[in-house]
Amino acid sequence: SQKIEQNSEALNIQEGKTATLTCNYTNYSPAYLQWYRQDPGRGPVFLLLIRENEKEKRKERLKVTFDTTLKQSLFHITASQPADSATYLCARGDDKIIFGKGTRLHILP
Amino acid sequence: GAGVSQSPSNKVTEKGKDVELRCDPISGHTALYWYRQSLGQGLEFLIYFQGNSAPDKSGLPSDRFSAERTGGSVSTLTIQRTQQEDSAVYLCASSPGRATGNTIYFGEGSWLTVV
Repeated sequence: SQKIEQNSEALNIQEGKTATLTCNYTNYSPAYLQWYRQDPGRGPVFLLLIRENEKEKRKERLKVTFDTTLKQSLFHITASQPADSATYLCARGDDKIIFGKGTRLHILP
Repeated sequence: GAGVSQSPSNKVTEKGKDVELRCDPISGHTALYWYRQSLGQGLEFLIYFQGNSAPDKSGLPSDRFSAERTGGSVSTLTIQRTQQEDSAVYLCASSPGRATGNTIYFGEGSWLTVV
């Protein structure tokens, strides 16, 4: 079956360091992947989309990569801040959008 | 409105009762999604509407769950004979469609508690 997996349930990173989150997919070749942020008690908010023919996409302190050989997307937050603490979700799908379980990121002051 | 609107924001119901959850998508969005999220868990896909096409109902967990979308806009998710395991937040989202990569915009959710 088609799967999208985020291997880390939780990740603790020291403030100022780069946080790197991983998303893997199997039995599927998505045309694009998306990353969302979810704060407690809120709906997810879209951050970035990367297409299969793009190796990298940036937005301010955020960077996403897409490696179709490894079937993996990496999500980086540089110069991390406590306000970046949240759950980050990757998603795949051309029509029906399916989400990974998310990684809870804690930026430690 | 500017965003996806869901109502009620909170609902407490007795086991066995039926509930209806409403979603108003962003105006002009052709795609509409329902997801369920239990406490501390990931987003579980329920159903997807795209324009006038038949909905993808593959995520509905049982025949107690149904959804409709009237006039290509407002959607209602109905849960019949609610059970305690139905307690969760039900999130609605809408999208302009595939041309934009199907970026979806979420409402704040309807928090359902079955007692």
